[in-house]
Amino acid sequence: QKEVEQNSGPLSVPEGAIASLNCTYSDRVSQSFFWYRQYSGKSPELIMSIYSNGDKEDGRFTAQLNKASQYVSLLIRDSQPSDSATYLCAVNRGDKIIFGKGTRLHILP
Amino acid sequence: GAVVSQHPSWVICKSGTSVKIECRSLDFQATTMFWYRQFPKQSLMLMATSNEGSKATYEQGVEKDKFLINHASLTLSTLTVTSAHPEDSSFYICSARDQEAKNIQYFGAGTRLSVL
Repeated sequence: QKEVEQNSGPLSVPEGAIASLNCTYSDRVSQSFFWYRQYSGKSPELIMSIYSNGDKEDGRFTAQLNKASQYVSLLIRDSQPSDSATYLCAVNRGDKIIFGKGTRLHILP
Repeated sequence: GAVVSQHPSWVICKSGTSVKIECRSLDFQATTMFWYRQFPKQSLMLMATSNEGSKATYEQGVEKDKFLINHASLTLSTLTVTSAHPEDSSFYICSARDQEAKNIQYFGAGTRLSVL
């Protein structure tokens, strides 16, 4: 099993709808979880960090964590064309952060 | 968020030459920095972990003699690609870990290396 798994996509979502991105991880002792956004040809940019079970909201973004199910998700409300990018889920393994391969999100105008 | 500066953003070099890439944490101290490589349409690949004042830790399959890493201060790590070849052409990205902010990693803007 891969340490951090994401569906590669592409995930196509109409503008204005909710985009739901999912991620599972294998290491039960992981404590820190991150979502990064990467535009084509650019480096990753941190969007959200979450450390405890439940939801964390920041503007149009909501991160959800369920440690029992080893599952973390990112919801993007009112999706905009500028949200089209690859979203990387990242989970700590000790001192390192392990990245998933990313999900390509495409917002349809 | 914190700022990580990476320089240069783009470099073209001849085969056989060496290229140095700098990564600086501008507003926090980073005892640990990371170097990644990313080929087009592929995922980030961790190359090595750079530790201030000690030797870097390389991932399996990464040649330590080819990719020299120096982390001489709490705000600067450098990656030198020695004797570069066309297959080394890639997007190199550094990140720095902010221990004061729950170990969040902040990324530099990346360096696009083209070896002719």
